[in-house]
Amino acid sequence: DGGITQSPKYLFRKEGQNVTLSCEQNLNHDAMYWYRQDPGQGLRLIYYSQIVNDFQKGDIAEGYSVSREKKESFPLTVTSAQKNPTAFYLCASRYTGSSGANVLTFGAGSRLTVL
Amino acid sequence: QKEVEQNSGPLSVPEGAIASLNCTYSDRGSQSFFWYRQYSGKSPELIMFIYSNGDKEDGRFTAQLNKASQYVSLLIRDSQPSDSATYLCAVRPNQAGTALIFGKGTTLSVSS
Repeated sequence: DGGITQSPKYLFRKEGQNVTLSCEQNLNHDAMYWYRQDPGQGLRLIYYSQIVNDFQKGDIAEGYSVSREKKESFPLTVTSAQKNPTAFYLCASRYTGSSGANVLTFGAGSRLTVL
Repeated sequence: QKEVEQNSGPLSVPEGAIASLNCTYSDRGSQSFFWYRQYSGKSPELIMFIYSNGDKEDGRFTAQLNKASQYVSLLIRDSQPSDSATYLCAVRPNQAGTALIFGKGTTLSVSS
């Protein structure tokens, strides 16, 4: 089955620790995205990548880092510099070709809690 | 700052009624519009997308787009309790390589 796999589903972190959230897709999509969702806040864009080895900051990139070494993978690191990291993190991908609807497909999400 | 606005709700309708969800956007040049449904604790799933002015129907769902007034709406006919969820409106700005901008979502509650 084609899709987006995020892991872990739940993660607990102590203050001051860096954590990395995994996102893998087998949809052959070029573009990948990380969103953060807080209660009542909707989805806010952290980082996105249109092609391998290239990525751009979104609206709330401070305290986060990403890499895009492979087309299939777009891991997100939540660093200790992120002041309020407790949130639901969503990875998504999109086909960017000229045919098709170019819709955004989401993974199941990772819920990070800082203790 | 490009924005997408939705009434947070909750919007409460009885089973079998029509639910009407609305969304306005600030970027007049936006070309693509999406509606996602999100159940509590789950990730968003696409319901419909619309590119052209007018109506687009898919089963019980109808998306309506009015670019001149910069609004897009979603109608749900014969609402069911299983439709109870948060509905997210998303807009793709008219700028190559940019990501979707999401509204904060409208919570719909369908009572049986």
